[in-house]
Amino acid sequence: SQELEQSPQSLIVQEGKNLTINCTSSKTLYGLYWYKQKYGEGLIFLMMLQKGGEEKSHEKITAKLDEKKQQSSLHITASQPSHAGIYLCGADSNTGGFKTIFGAGTRLFVKA
Amino acid sequence: EAGVAQSPRYKIIEKRQSVAFWCNPISGHATLYWYQQILGQGPKLLIQFQNNGVVDDSQLPKDRFSAERLKGVDSTLKIQPAKLEDSAVYLCASSLKVSGSRNEQFFGPGTRLTVL
Repeated sequence: SQELEQSPQSLIVQEGKNLTINCTSSKTLYGLYWYKQKYGEGLIFLMMLQKGGEEKSHEKITAKLDEKKQQSSLHITASQPSHAGIYLCGADSNTGGFKTIFGAGTRLFVKA
Repeated sequence: EAGVAQSPRYKIIEKRQSVAFWCNPISGHATLYWYQQILGQGPKLLIQFQNNGVVDDSQLPKDRFSAERLKGVDSTLKIQPAKLEDSAVYLCASSLKVSGSRNEQFFGPGTRLTVL
């Protein structure tokens, strides 16, 4: 079965610093999603990547999918306290029906 | 546009009791999902409906969990009887998705269940 591994598990950064979160799949990714979850709340969709080499940006967040489609990274530029939360990568598992599986998440803390 | 609604937000029960969660998806969304998120882990799909039919329930512990989506709109998830390991956040999500396509899921705020 397909598994997603996220690194690091947690991250503490000073406000204004850049950071990168990684998501590695045990199998080829056919649809990669990034979500953000604030503590005690549901998930908020950030971006979806499908093609090898694809890159998308929204405000100060950029996500990339590598050419081999087995790894994705999420980069935040000039972090702010509002970026704090849990970042989850999800992928469509091709075991019928495109069931979405999720990584365990990266917990981001931003120090003001 | 109203989001995905869930109730209750919090529930505390004792083991062997029963509990039910309710979800109202975004209007017009054909697909509805129930996820279980244990503390420190990512969400795990329990069941996926398309309209009122089950698409995937392979990870639903059917001896104690049940779910239904009457009329292809609202859904309820029930646990009977609850075990200590069922303590988790239960997330409902919906999407416009039809089988074989990909698009984003919209999540509700979740129901935090504590089993004592």
